[in-house]
Amino acid sequence: DGGITQSPKYLFRKEGQNVTLSCEQNLNHDAMYWYRQDPGQGLRLIYYSQIVNDFQKGDIAEGYSVSREKKESFPLTVTSAQKNPTAFYLCASSPPGHRDYGYTFGSGTRLTVV
Amino acid sequence: DAKTTQPPSMDCAEGRAANLPCNHSTISGNEYVYWYRQIHSQGPQYIIHGLKNNETNEMASLIITEDRKSSTLILPHATLRDTAVYYCIVRAYNAGNNRKLIWGLGTSLAVNP
Repeated sequence: DGGITQSPKYLFRKEGQNVTLSCEQNLNHDAMYWYRQDPGQGLRLIYYSQIVNDFQKGDIAEGYSVSREKKESFPLTVTSAQKNPTAFYLCASSPPGHRDYGYTFGSGTRLTVV
Repeated sequence: DAKTTQPPSMDCAEGRAANLPCNHSTISGNEYVYWYRQIHSQGPQYIIHGLKNNETNEMASLIITEDRKSSTLILPHATLRDTAVYYCIVRAYNAGNNRKLIWGLGTSLAVNP
């Protein structure tokens, strides 16, 4: 079945460390997105990519970096510059123009700084 | 993209219809209404979307008022597994600037036995 796979499901990081969250999709979608969700809040866009080798900052890109070397993959690196990285991170993808089904989301990665 | 207003929480008895309202009074003519739901600690799931006409699929029905300033998501026979946060979002189709997709706090629906 097609879908989006995020790994790991849970991730613990020491302060000052960079960590990379994986996001892989086999839906042949062009666009991919990273969102952050904090308790009791809506999703906030970190980065998005509409084609390979191109990506744009979202509303809260500071302290994060991404790459899009392959259509299927859009990893997110949470750097030590991110002051409050503990959150639930969601990856999504969509076909061109969003067609009929909008975004497809992964199951998320919960990052905790210890 | 237009912002939306939803009640923070609602209750529904199992087996009854759940009607979730959404106000989007500043919606533009080319903006679609999308509904997603998020079960605790999972990624949001697409439910349905529409522009002007009412829509129905295997999960739900979407009723959009004639002036398009509000809509209602209907789950015809709610089950315990429908307990989730439901998000109403309006966005332009084929919009190039995805930065303006705004996710609110949604409606937390509790389906009770």
